[in-house]
Amino acid sequence: NAGVTQTPKFQVLKTGQSMTLQCAQDMNHNSMYWYRQDPGMGLRLIYYSASEGTTDKGEVPNGYNVSRLNKREFSLRLESAAPSQTSVYFCASSGIQGLTDTQYFGPGTRLTVL
Amino acid sequence: AQTVTQSQPEMSVQEAETVTLSCTYDTSESDYYLFWYKQPPSRQMILVIRQEAYKQQNATENRFSVNFQKAAKSFSLKISDSQLGDAAMYFCASVRDYGGSQGNLIFGKGTKLSVKP
Repeated sequence: NAGVTQTPKFQVLKTGQSMTLQCAQDMNHNSMYWYRQDPGMGLRLIYYSASEGTTDKGEVPNGYNVSRLNKREFSLRLESAAPSQTSVYFCASSGIQGLTDTQYFGPGTRLTVL
Repeated sequence: AQTVTQSQPEMSVQEAETVTLSCTYDTSESDYYLFWYKQPPSRQMILVIRQEAYKQQNATENRFSVNFQKAAKSFSLKISDSQLGDAAMYFCASVRDYGGSQGNLIFGKGTKLSVKP
């Protein structure tokens, strides 16, 4: 049982390049989330997927797109990377939609945009 | 806007001593959950403890306990018998309550805990 996995662990991009961050969970969770963590800012929600087939914007969605490929996988795409997107990205999942969620996190991806 | 405030950017504790990390939050929900997450240098976010707002009893997990004051919207974490492995960033989080994203967490900015041998 691997929990939540993310690939890659590290990535360096040039401004304007695109890339996709992959996330998968093996806990049969319904909901999945993408956060970014910047120094001194805590974690902020980018996008989430309450269930397979649905996605919604979070607090900081600009510059990102997501795909809930199936129940296990939730990807985050940067179409044209900008230096402001330099951050650590975390994927998380939780069992049910609603106030009783406990979210479990992946190990994170450190992204640098030059 | 929903907010979670951790007023102590850094804390230090002697090994085997007790330390308390502070957190206050703002929510319009009457029923919600609160969480403490630990982030060691490995960057992994690890759930430490969670509290259901409808429960009056404070949650406890081994050496970790909370002091939940619902009226004051305060949720502090007490670490007893501190160990070197407790050194990490600690994040307080509450559930968000706008629109359809009721399961999404709002995080504080974190408290960096150092443990001195």
